[in-house]
Amino acid sequence: GENVEQHPSTLSVQEGDSAVIKCTYSDSASNYFPWYKQELGKRPQLIIDIRSNVGEKKDQRIAVTLNKTAKHFSLHITETQPEDSAVYFCAASKISGGYQKVTFGIGTKLQVIP
Amino acid sequence: NAGVTQTPKFQVLKTGQSMTLQCAQDMNHNSMYWYRQDPGMGLRLIYYSASEGTTDKGEVPNGYNVSRLNKREFSLRLESAAPSQTSVYFCASSEAQGFKNIQYFGAGTRLSVL
Repeated sequence: GENVEQHPSTLSVQEGDSAVIKCTYSDSASNYFPWYKQELGKRPQLIIDIRSNVGEKKDQRIAVTLNKTAKHFSLHITETQPEDSAVYFCAASKISGGYQKVTFGIGTKLQVIP
Repeated sequence: NAGVTQTPKFQVLKTGQSMTLQCAQDMNHNSMYWYRQDPGMGLRLIYYSASEGTTDKGEVPNGYNVSRLNKREFSLRLESAAPSQTSVYFCASSEAQGFKNIQYFGAGTRLSVL
């Protein structure tokens, strides 16, 4: 089955600096890569996603890059703000048995220090 | 639209007790999921239901059972709770749209088994 590795597990940055979270996946059939943000005590929510035929996608201060050959994808947050502090999960998704199977990474706890 | 609604929000059980976690979605999604979230372990899939009338085991199904009561509702049952089942449980639903499979999560159930 799919295996998604995510690192680092924790990340502290100064407000205004950039943060990068990296993930690798094992199954070349995976074709959709979402990122979820979970604030303390809240539910995970989608913040950005990318499909396998796209190399990069941006949405304001966040961007995701995908290297399909190397099976790597990364989340980039620029000009970090205290409200970016949360746990971020990467995921890899593919169709399996007529249903879209999603495998999550273990999460990265991002702390933005004011 | 309430989205995905989970009950209860908190529960304390004694070892050996049973309980059912309820989940309902009002987005007309075909697929529903139960995850558990433990520190350092990310989101692990317990069971899923690709469509009404079907259920399948995920990564960590032991000690759990599920019922897809109808398209809206997907319940998770612990027949004989164990301390190892202390966790935060999330229900989610999704509807594949082409390559996309966005998961919508409930607010979670924090379960402690003493």
